[in-house]
Amino acid sequence: GQQVMQIPQYQHVQEGEDFTTYCNSSTTLSNIQWYKQRPGGHPVFLIQLVKSGEVKKQKRLTFQFGEAKKNSSLHITATQTTDVGTYFCAGPGSARQLTFGSGTQLTVLP
Amino acid sequence: DGGITQSPKYLFRKEGQNVTLSCEQNLNHDAMYWYRQDPGQGLRLIYYSQIVNDFQKGDIAEGYSVSREKKESFPLTVTSAQKNPTAFYLCASSIASGGSSYNEQFFGPGTRLTVL
Repeated sequence: GQQVMQIPQYQHVQEGEDFTTYCNSSTTLSNIQWYKQRPGGHPVFLIQLVKSGEVKKQKRLTFQFGEAKKNSSLHITATQTTDVGTYFCAGPGSARQLTFGSGTQLTVLP
Repeated sequence: DGGITQSPKYLFRKEGQNVTLSCEQNLNHDAMYWYRQDPGQGLRLIYYSQIVNDFQKGDIAEGYSVSREKKESFPLTVTSAQKNPTAFYLCASSIASGGSSYNEQFFGPGTRLTVL
């Protein structure tokens, strides 16, 4: 079925540095969602992108959906320790249910 | 206070035993889902239900069973046929049925199952 590939798997940054995670699909996605999972916690919905080339911002987080709707990215400006966690993208999979990427685990060093 | 509850938070079972994980939601959501998460991996869909008394297999349904007798409840049974059941199990729900992937999913706190 449909797969979304996410890179990198791990990222360590110094507090204040920027961070980006990328999500790629071999086929066109109708939409893509992003979730954040804090250590020991459960995934929490961040945002959904639907339109080609769409860019959405949430404070220091910038989400982009590619023009071809085959890739997406999440960029965090000036990371803080509260940004620690695993970020997942999710797109339509088999039977139109969500398929999650493997996630990018972000560590922010103080 | 609306949300999804899962119990227990930690569960230990002996190899060969069946175990049932609870998932309850009071969000009035039609659709409910069960995911399995292994260390360093994403979420894999086990079963989903779009309406009461109906459910479908996800990508890794073998060794699992579910029921959806009430809108609020979607229990998952991990059977002895599941060869590697130790994992973190997450239940989720969303507002609309119909197989849509457009709807935000709300997750419960999860149950961490360990097979001894």
